[in-house]
Amino acid sequence: GAGVSQSPSNKVTEKGKDVELRCDPISGHTALYWYRQSLGQGLEFLIYFQGNSAPDKSGLPSDRFSAERTGGSVSTLTIQRTQQEDSAVYLCASSLSPAASYEQYFGPGTRLTVT
Amino acid sequence: AQSVAQPEDQVNVAEGNPLTVKCTYSVSGNPYLFWYVQYPNRGLQFLLKYITGDNLVKGSYGFEAEFNKSQTSFHLKKPSALVSDSALYFCAVRDNTNAGKSTFGDGTTLTVKP
Repeated sequence: GAGVSQSPSNKVTEKGKDVELRCDPISGHTALYWYRQSLGQGLEFLIYFQGNSAPDKSGLPSDRFSAERTGGSVSTLTIQRTQQEDSAVYLCASSLSPAASYEQYFGPGTRLTVT
Repeated sequence: AQSVAQPEDQVNVAEGNPLTVKCTYSVSGNPYLFWYVQYPNRGLQFLLKYITGDNLVKGSYGFEAEFNKSQTSFHLKKPSALVSDSALYFCAVRDNTNAGKSTFGDGTTLTVKP
């Protein structure tokens, strides 16, 4: 079946511009996660959605970052007034359930470059 | 709070030799432990997980990992390395009381030389 998809695959933007990154999770997966992976670094948790519950936003680095998940499926991560330190690969993942025992399935990522 | 440590940034082994990629963790509840692999220019893929039961778990591509509660470790192993195993490996932990949030290690780059 189809995996997690993300778009765009690459995004180059000027400092100060807003960007939107999209994630389509695997059909039927109720949990959705966003991570950031900087060059040579591990994965930094950003935000987590589960169904209609309030998202866990504890990883968002600043109020310039926000995310939505519409209809329990597609999610959009928005970065306002981008800064050069926002340059990274943004990864989306989904899982069958929020239960801690379920593994996550990752998309290919969006590589964001802020110039 | 939960945390993961992968003490080695880089592991080099010769093809055919056994490999070990180390991971230690810290959680307040019972740990759920995962290994993921990231091949060059590809997304992260799930390899294996420990939830409960046998301390030795087997996963994809011949990999296995041993859960050691007393040492709070979950090292990834393979009896005979292949050049195609060369990739970036991540260990991750979840606390069974905190379903949503996974904490990942910084990753270990495995290089298998022919």
